[in-house]
Amino acid sequence: NAGVMQNPRHLVRRRGQEARLRCSPMKGHSHVYWYRQLPEEGLKFMVYLQKENIIDESGMPKERFSAEFPKEGPSILRIQQVVRGDSAAYFCASSLGTGSPYEQYFGPGTRLTVT
Amino acid sequence: QKEVEQNSGPLSVPEGAIASLNCTYSDRGSQSFFWYRQYSGKSPELIMFIYSNGDKEDGRFTAQLNKASQYVSLLIRDSQPSDSATYLCAVNKNRNTDKLIFGTGTRLQVFP
Repeated sequence: NAGVMQNPRHLVRRRGQEARLRCSPMKGHSHVYWYRQLPEEGLKFMVYLQKENIIDESGMPKERFSAEFPKEGPSILRIQQVVRGDSAAYFCASSLGTGSPYEQYFGPGTRLTVT
Repeated sequence: QKEVEQNSGPLSVPEGAIASLNCTYSDRGSQSFFWYRQYSGKSPELIMFIYSNGDKEDGRFTAQLNKASQYVSLLIRDSQPSDSATYLCAVNKNRNTDKLIFGTGTRLQVFP
């Protein structure tokens, strides 16, 4: 399967715990984007990364959220001290390059539930 | 004013009809435009993109872009019940970042 992979697909955390979401881009893609979809709302951009670099984190909440895309391994979205409002579907997308237009392909998402 | 606006629907069309989905955007400098389909509980699936004024056809789908009116649409010909989904319009401003700005989507229902 050469598509974008995300794991886990479902994650349940209690308030105050940490959530780690992983994303492996499509083969050959080096650009990764994270989006969040709250229930009954649209997709909201969070962060755009290339290998070892954060390019745009304008959509990332200032506290508790961080992202990385190391030289080796998947991209990680980390949410510390989760709260109920963090419950959402988190989607990762990848693209081949930058500039217009490069299509972004989405992974299956991680559905985070905070209890 | 939202950056990308779509009518939430639902838009109901009979099987075999043409479904017309519309999207407007506020930033005149936007560069490229994408249509995604999202089934309930699933991830967005890319249908097509457009970046030049005019029409672009791909099978039963036609995207139309009018930059002067800041308007992009998706036509689905010979609609099928399997086309019933939420259709998301996304805009790329392409200014040092390729982030997509999404509309809230239009729910399409195709009835037999």
